This record gives sequence, C-alpha cells and structure tokens, in this order.
Amino acid sequence: QVQLVQSGAEVKKPGSSVKVSCKASGGTFSSYTISWVRQAPGQGLEWMGRIIPILGIANYAQKFQGRVTITADKSTSTAYMELSSLRSEDTAVYYCARDQDAFDIWGQGTMVTVSS
Amino acid sequence: DIQMTQSPSSLSASVGDRVTITCRASQSISSYLNWYQQKPGKAPKLLIYAASSLQSGVPSRFSGSGSGTDFTLTISSLQPEDFATYYCQQSYSTITFGQGTRLEIK
Repeated sequence: QVQLVQSGAEVKKPGSSVKVSCKASGGTFSSYTISWVRQAPGQGLEWMGRIIPILGIANYAQKFQGRVTITADKSTSTAYMELSSLRSEDTAVYYCARDQDAFDIWGQGTMVTVSS
Repeated sequence: DIQMTQSPSSLSASVGDRVTITCRASQSISSYLNWYQQKPGKAPKLLIYAASSLQSGVPSRFSGSGSGTDFTLTISSLQPEDFATYYCQQSYSTITFGQGTRLEIK
C-alpha cells in the first residue's frame, strides 16, 4: 500500500524559500507521477505542478512558473517542492499526491507559514 | 485554464437526504472529472474518478455522472460522516479545481 509522508511544519520570512519533502513507501515510486496541491486557510485547492520521477520531467501551473521547483530523488523515493520569494499569501497547507489522472493517495500535508 | 464552477457553494441537509452537487466546466473536458471529499484538518479523499467510476473503498451511496461540461455528484442517503466539503477537479488540461461545496447538517 503506497503511503506519502511529508516533512514537518515550517515558518518562513517573506522573501525566503521553503522546501517540502514527500517520501513514498510501498509501490514503485518511479512509475507514477507526484503532484503538489496547496490550500490557503479557509480556501480551496490549488494545483501547483507535478513531476514524473522516472523521467525527471516537471511541469508547473503558470501562476507559479519561475517561483516553484519540483524535483524527485529516485534513490530515496522522495519528491520535493521548493517555493521561493515567499510572501504572506503563500501561507497554506501544501500537499503531495499520487497523480494517476486523479489524486488517489495524499500526503498528510505540511503547513507553511510566511510571517515577518 | 479551464474554469470549474460548483453549485451550490453550500448546502444544508439532513441525515437520509438525497443530495446532488453540480460542477460545470468552462469548456468540454470529456470525462476527465474527479470528485473529492475533504474534512477539516484532513487531506482530500478521492471519491469518484473519470466522472462516474467509484474509487475502491468508497461507499456505493456516492455516484457521479456527466460528460462534456456538466457533471453531478450524488449522495443517495446522507450519513453523519458525509458532512464535509466536496471538490470537483478536471484533468483534461492544466489541472483546476472547483471552489468547493460545503455540506452542512440541517
């Protein structure tokens, strides 16, 4: 049974960067796509981008182009999402999810707070 | 990007009621439509994929229908654990979600 376990909560200053990890256990990590979705407090879900670990290819929502980098380390079955130039509006819970044209398995979420 | 519009935004219902939530896409998305349930403080849970396929382990009181631009999620007989927020999501092109429908107890 595939499980996705994310890194812990972060508090960051405006203008800095944050890197969230998502470690997969069970299944074959390289064979599926991992997407990142975020949710600001009291708001809806927003897709940020995805990576296909076996190919190392990532693509991003236009809103986040140039500010987000999604990578994967096949040796540790871990995907990463790095968001730079943080601002208060980036305060949100960040989720990773297995993406098989539907998000069938989710990480537990990582709260990122951006505050001076 | 394709815009997904859910209606209603919120809904009050009672245990045992039949409930329908609608999702409309700004252009045709064939059957590339998924539904999720989210409870406070939890990650979303996949209910329905490809517009009408029930995800493994999801109770059969949940069903989905539609294709093209108009889709529905139906809960045939509400149970106490069904009170949550529901989201539609299209995977036809750059992924977008509906704004959510909050289902509350009447």
